[in-house]
Amino acid sequence: DGGITQSPKYLFRKEGQNVTLSCEQNLNHDAMYWYRQDPGQGLRLIYYSQIVNDFQKGDIAEGYSVSREKKESFPLTVTSAQKNPTAFYLCASRAVFNQPQHFGDGTRLSIL
Amino acid sequence: AQTVTQSQPEMSVQEAETVTLSCTYDTSESDYYLFWYKQPPSRQMILVIRQEAYKQQNATENRFSVNFQKAAKSFSLKISDSQLGDAAMYFCAPSGNYDMRFGAGTRLTVKP
Repeated sequence: DGGITQSPKYLFRKEGQNVTLSCEQNLNHDAMYWYRQDPGQGLRLIYYSQIVNDFQKGDIAEGYSVSREKKESFPLTVTSAQKNPTAFYLCASRAVFNQPQHFGDGTRLSIL
Repeated sequence: AQTVTQSQPEMSVQEAETVTLSCTYDTSESDYYLFWYKQPPSRQMILVIRQEAYKQQNATENRFSVNFQKAAKSFSLKISDSQLGDAAMYFCAPSGNYDMRFGAGTRLTVKP
């Protein structure tokens, strides 16, 4: 079945450490997105990518980085510059703008 | 980019009754779509309904319908015959050509 796979489900970060969240899709979608969700809050856009080797900053890109070397993959790195990384991270993809996004099951990141 | 306002952080409805969730938005794009998503406690994002902005007819999906007022940039969701399984966070999301923003959400409680 086609879908989006996020891994790991839970991730712990030490102070000063970079961590990478994985997002893989086999839906053949061009566009991919990363969102951050804090407890009881909505989704805030971190980065998005419309095509391979191209991506744009969203509303809260500081302290995060991404790459899009393959159509299927859009990993998110949470760098040590992100001082408050504890949150739930959702990856999404879609074919074209008039279609809804498909979401992964999320990664919960916590600070040790 | 779009901005989204959901002015009701929490709503409550009696089982079998009807409830309406509000959403207003702003966008600079002339061609766009609007979506409502549901997020139950599992945190999975589930598409509820989609509306094409160029269509005057309001979208309907079983017990879910929208009241789309383009000039007022309003996109409310009506849930009829509410069920216990409707309890969740509901997010409004206008979608432009490239990105997709979400509102802060409305937490819906369904009372038996």
